[in-house]
Amino acid sequence: AQSVTQLDSQVPVFEEAPVELRCNYSSSVSVYLFWYVQYPNQGLQLLLKYLSGSTLVKGINGFEAEFNKSQTSFHLRKPSVHISDTAEYFCAVRSGGYQKVTFGTGTKLQVIP
Amino acid sequence: SQTIHQWPATLVQPVGSPLSLECTVEGTSNPNLYWYRQAAGRGLQLLFYSVGIGQISSEVPQNLSASRPQDRQFILSSKKLLLSDSGFYLCAWGGGADIQYFGAGTRLSVL
Repeated sequence: AQSVTQLDSQVPVFEEAPVELRCNYSSSVSVYLFWYVQYPNQGLQLLLKYLSGSTLVKGINGFEAEFNKSQTSFHLRKPSVHISDTAEYFCAVRSGGYQKVTFGTGTKLQVIP
Repeated sequence: SQTIHQWPATLVQPVGSPLSLECTVEGTSNPNLYWYRQAAGRGLQLLFYSVGIGQISSEVPQNLSASRPQDRQFILSSKKLLLSDSGFYLCAWGGGADIQYFGAGTRLSVL
């Protein structure tokens, strides 16, 4: 079985400050990991993905995430946030050979001017 | 390029009325297709997924059903809506490594 935990339901941060959104996963086999962003009343947009190779993954809008197998984590980071980054962020996992993607409950990022 | 269409964008329905939400994908063949529901504060709940025409897997027992009459068409239905069916419904298709690409969603309000 696979699962994803996003411990922070809301993260307020001042504009131009750095941010880290935490994601921990559980799986007994190799994994693919994803981060999605959802703006109000819209679908989810893929932000970045880890499939294999380098554990540091860069995505759109200046975001990056690091796959840490020993800590079973895939935290999302941005060195300097903008007002436009205000959105909800979802971490997701798919285990090798398993057809379904499991999503976390989401973290709402609120950027304060 | 692949695109996914979902309609309607918003829908207000009375309790007990039927439901039909449609999702179509363009630019790909034999995709894995998914229906999710997003309720406030509860994240995404996988409702159904389909790996081919007529093949539907249900994830949770509920008042809804799904059908896949064509390769790139996925329909979510209900015969009688409940208040608890309100939510934001998202259709998605699976690409390489089953990366999920989402439609814009349908906001359903059951009154």
